[in-house]
Amino acid sequence: GENVEQHPSTLSVQEGDSAVIKCTYSDSASNYFPWYKQELGKGPQLIIDIRSNVGEKKDQRIAVTLNKTAKHFSLHITETQPEDSAVYFCAPGGGYNKLIFGAGTRLAVHP
Amino acid sequence: DTEVTQTPKHLVMGMTNKKSLKCEQHMGHRAMYWYKQKAKKPPELMFVYSYEKLSINESVPSRFSPECPNSSLLNLHLHALQPEDSALYLCASSQASQTHSGNTIYFGEGSWLTVV
Repeated sequence: GENVEQHPSTLSVQEGDSAVIKCTYSDSASNYFPWYKQELGKGPQLIIDIRSNVGEKKDQRIAVTLNKTAKHFSLHITETQPEDSAVYFCAPGGGYNKLIFGAGTRLAVHP
Repeated sequence: DTEVTQTPKHLVMGMTNKKSLKCEQHMGHRAMYWYKQKAKKPPELMFVYSYEKLSINESVPSRFSPECPNSSLLNLHLHALQPEDSALYLCASSQASQTHSGNTIYFGEGSWLTVV
């Protein structure tokens, strides 16, 4: 089965700094790579995703990069803001949308 | 705002009770999911329904019984639960395809369950 590792487990940055979270997976058949943001008391919200035929995708301050050879993908947040504070999960998936979530990264952005 | 609606938001039940969690989506999605999330842990898949049929059961104990009455609704029936079943139960939905691969999954806000 899929083995997913996410680093770091906690990340503290100053407002305006960049944040990078890395996800490593084991299943070479994985072909869908989403990142979810979960705020306290809420369900996970998709913030960006990428498919295996693309190496990078950007949406305003958020970007995801994929290295299929090395089996890892990363979330990049630039110009962080306090409202970016949340837990972020990677969830590489393959057939039947069977997402396997990483352990999560708790991001704290300090004003 | 999420378009997957879950009720109730909070539920407290005794170990001998029977209760149900409900989920509804109106995005025309034909795949629906139940996930369980313990505190400070990632969501874990429980069940997947595709075109109203159960396609994946991740070896979930029979005290959890899913039901998909139609393409917009998903229920989770609870009976004889244990205190360790206390968790956030998340419903999700997505487009369905033959391989169900790479379809964006949208989550509801979850139902907080406490078993006493």
